[in-house]
Amino acid sequence: QKEVEQDPGPLSVPEGAIVSLNCTYSNSAFQYFMWYRQYSRKGPELLMYTYSSGNKEDGRFTAQVDKSSKYISLFIRDSQPSDSATYLCAMSARRKDDKIIFGKGTRLHILP
Amino acid sequence: GAGVSQTPSNKVTEKGKYVELRCDPISGHTALYWYRQSLGQGPEFLIYFQGTGAADDSGLPNDRFFAVRPEGSVSTLKIQRTERGDSAVYLCAILPGPRGDTQYFGPGTRLTVL
Repeated sequence: QKEVEQDPGPLSVPEGAIVSLNCTYSNSAFQYFMWYRQYSRKGPELLMYTYSSGNKEDGRFTAQVDKSSKYISLFIRDSQPSDSATYLCAMSARRKDDKIIFGKGTRLHILP
Repeated sequence: GAGVSQTPSNKVTEKGKYVELRCDPISGHTALYWYRQSLGQGPEFLIYFQGTGAADDSGLPNDRFFAVRPEGSVSTLKIQRTERGDSAVYLCAILPGPRGDTQYFGPGTRLTVL
């Protein structure tokens, strides 16, 4: 079993829909949880960064972490065609001095 | 990313050749990371530098891979006797990023081994 599991998709939704992306993980030492967005032939771009359990909201994006279930989610409201990209969940045990473990990424297509 | 440049952006080489990939943080950052991203996969950790020294090189797949950061700024990832399986995008990341929280990635070098 990989440390981080993420459905690779692709996921296609109509413009304006709410998108739900999620990952599960197995290492209970993970404390820092991130979502990166990656456009084709670009480096990953940090979207959301959360410490421990709970919710965090930033504009149209909401990140949720449930450490008891080892499950994290990213919700995108009012999805736009420009949101079409690959979304990578990622996590680490420490904020500094630690490697980040990534999921495979979910390819998302927002249909106009 | 604006905080990290990587050169070359693309590199095509033949099996068995030696390659060097460069990461240049625009402003001084103590921590620097290398990751490798194969097609359809998430990035995988290779090595992490704290200053000039490699603090964690547990992700290097074998002894054909080596990285240096002699002056604590620019880093070079070196791959000897390249194999077709080395084809991937090699990403460099720095900490802290502009938001001061977690790793900030460069655009990557796409390596193709024929």
